[in-house]
Amino acid sequence: QVTLKESGPALVKPTQTLTLTCTFSGFSLSTSGMRVSWIRQPPGKALEWLARIDWDDDKFYSTSLKTRLTISKDTSKNQVVLTMTNMDPVDTATYYCARILAGALDYWGQGTLVTVSS
Amino acid sequence: DIQMTQSPSSLSASVGDRVTITCQASQDISNYLNWYQQKPGKAPKLLIYDASNLETGVPSRFSGSGSGTDFTFTISSLQPEDIATYYCQQYDNLITFGQGTRLEIK
Repeated sequence: QVTLKESGPALVKPTQTLTLTCTFSGFSLSTSGMRVSWIRQPPGKALEWLARIDWDDDKFYSTSLKTRLTISKDTSKNQVVLTMTNMDPVDTATYYCARILAGALDYWGQGTLVTVSS
Repeated sequence: DIQMTQSPSSLSASVGDRVTITCQASQDISNYLNWYQQKPGKAPKLLIYDASNLETGVPSRFSGSGSGTDFTFTISSLQPEDIATYYCQQYDNLITFGQGTRLEIK
């Protein structure tokens, strides 16, 4: 079955770079049509899409955050990595990765809470 | 960027009620619209894809309709386990979520 799990630091300091890893199973990101996205959700607020990487290594970013984001994949390890630079307390959120199938985020990880504080 | 305007932001209804949530896109997105349910402390769950298609395993009391810029999500008979926040999501151009509708039992 398809599973995804996010990992990374629970606490980062302002101005630091956040690196999150999504480790998945049950599908291959080398299969045509497969995509993985990152989404975040500040406490008590709405979902916000961050980035997407496709099977052919195409990459797409949120317009408002694209200068701070980098997404990459390691197909051999079944992992997708997101880095976000210059972290700020407003970036405190639960970060999710999700598989995309034909535009729908059909499988999600459990999420990982990242707190930005000095 | 495509903006998604979801309404209402919160809703209180009784068990057995018909519940309707709307989502309006800032431009024509055809049927590239999905609906999710999120319960507290959990990841969102896909309910409806491509505006009107029920995801496998989702109860038939959930339905969706619309195309272009105006979309509707309906629960035909509200159940206690439906208490959650619901989000629409477009994928015509990148991905955008609506602001969510918090559904409570009256």
